[in-house]
Amino acid sequence: EVQLVQSGRGLVQPGGSLRLSCAASGFTFRSYDMNWVRQAPGKGLEWVSYISSDGRTIYYADSVKGRFTISRDNAKNSLYLQMNSLRAEDTALYYCARRPLYSNYALCDHWGQGTLVTVSS
Amino acid sequence: SYVLTQPPSVSVAPGQTARMTCGADNIGRRSVHWYQQKPGQAPVLVVHDESDRPSGIPERFSGSNSGNTATLTISRVEAGDEADYYCQVWDSSSHHVVFGGGTKLTVL
Repeated sequence: EVQLVQSGRGLVQPGGSLRLSCAASGFTFRSYDMNWVRQAPGKGLEWVSYISSDGRTIYYADSVKGRFTISRDNAKNSLYLQMNSLRAEDTALYYCARRPLYSNYALCDHWGQGTLVTVSS
Repeated sequence: SYVLTQPPSVSVAPGQTARMTCGADNIGRRSVHWYQQKPGQAPVLVVHDESDRPSGIPERFSGSNSGNTATLTISRVEAGDEADYYCQVWDSSSHHVVFGGGTKLTVL
């Protein structure tokens, strides 16, 4: 069974940093591209970042570029999102999501349970 | 940037057909995916690449895409279909994933 288990939830002050983790199991993690998607309270889905299976291709939404860093450790079957210079508008539930093999870049077939990030003083 | 426009809400009686649109410039040239999200839950993929359904998704869910509008259709709507629905595409010019604003489906 494909599982994406997230950790790293927290309350952080504006300007602070936080790292989110997403542990994968039930599939060959190193073969799959991954995404981070977030959802502010009461709002819609917003894509955050994409990373290819080998980590060599990375994309960011304009709203987080230069502040967030996506990475992965295929030996540990884990995906990460390092968030720096956090702002109140980064407050959201963050999801990791898997892109199926040989599929459209946007497609996400399995999602983590989400981890809440609150940026507040 | 590429923008996907969805109506905020759609209402339908049980047993009827719900149609939710996703509008954008020449969206018919792109692969469109649809997600269902119920309160407190992660999104679930219900239709991908315009009209394909993942395993486990009922045949009542279907999609189409032409011109400037993609449509998710749910036939014989059930109370359990009440949720938010999001369309999504890949914008190759910006290398961005784009989501629509979402449509809340209410089953009367």
